[in-house]
Amino acid sequence: NAGVTQTPKFQVLKTGQSMTLQCAQDMNHEYMSWYRQDPGMGLRLIHYSVGAGITDQGEVPNGYNVSRSTTEDFPLRLLSAAPSQTSVYFCASSQDRANRAQHFGDGTRLSIL
Amino acid sequence: DAKTTQPTSMDCAEGRAANLPCNHSTISGNEYVYWYRQIHSQGPQYIIHGLKNNETNEMASLIITEDRKSSTLILPHATLRDTAVYYCIVRRAPSGGSYIPTFGRGTSLIVHP
Repeated sequence: NAGVTQTPKFQVLKTGQSMTLQCAQDMNHEYMSWYRQDPGMGLRLIHYSVGAGITDQGEVPNGYNVSRSTTEDFPLRLLSAAPSQTSVYFCASSQDRANRAQHFGDGTRLSIL
Repeated sequence: DAKTTQPTSMDCAEGRAANLPCNHSTISGNEYVYWYRQIHSQGPQYIIHGLKNNETNEMASLIITEDRKSSTLILPHATLRDTAVYYCIVRRAPSGGSYIPTFGRGTSLIVHP
C-alpha cells in the first residue's frame, strides 16, 4: 500500500494562477482532510470530507475549493493564488469517524510569487 | 473542543525517558487525548490516544491524570530520531459529522547525544 500520496511535492506559482493539489489514498478510508502549515505554527484545517460527495469547511477555507467524487481522491484547488497561500500543505485520511489515527502524506511545498 | 497547553520546547539526553506534558483543564467527559509528532519536513505521525486509562504501545506510553485535566506522553528510551514536534490534541466528534483533529504549535523535543 502506498498510503496517502500527494502530488506535486514542490510547486511555484505566480499570483493569480490557479492549480490543483492532488491527494490520493489506497486504504479505502472514508475521512480525508487538508491542512496547511506555516513557519512556527501548527497545522490548520482547510477543508475535510466524511465520504464521497460530502465536504465541509475547516478553520481556514477561504481561497480553496475541494471536491470528493471518489473515495480515493480529495483534490484541493487554489482558484487564484495569493502570496498568503505560500505554505506546506498536508493531506490526511482516516478509517473511522473519530479519526483516532490519521495517516498523512508527505506534503506539498507551495510558493506563490 | 478543549484547549491544550504544551511547553514550547524541551530537550532530553539520548537513552533517557522523555516526558512531554500537556494541560487540558477544560476537557469534557467524551473527549479523547491524542498525540502526534512531526519530524522535520515530514507529515505528522500518529503516536497514541486515550480516554481516561493509561495506554501503551510500541512507540510510547500515555499517562492521563485521574481528573483528566492533564496528560504526559512518555518516550521510554529516547533516540536521536525522536527529535520532532509533538502535538497534544483533545477533541470530540461534532454531531452529525466526523471529527478532524486541529493542531496547535506543539512541543519541539530535541534529543541530544
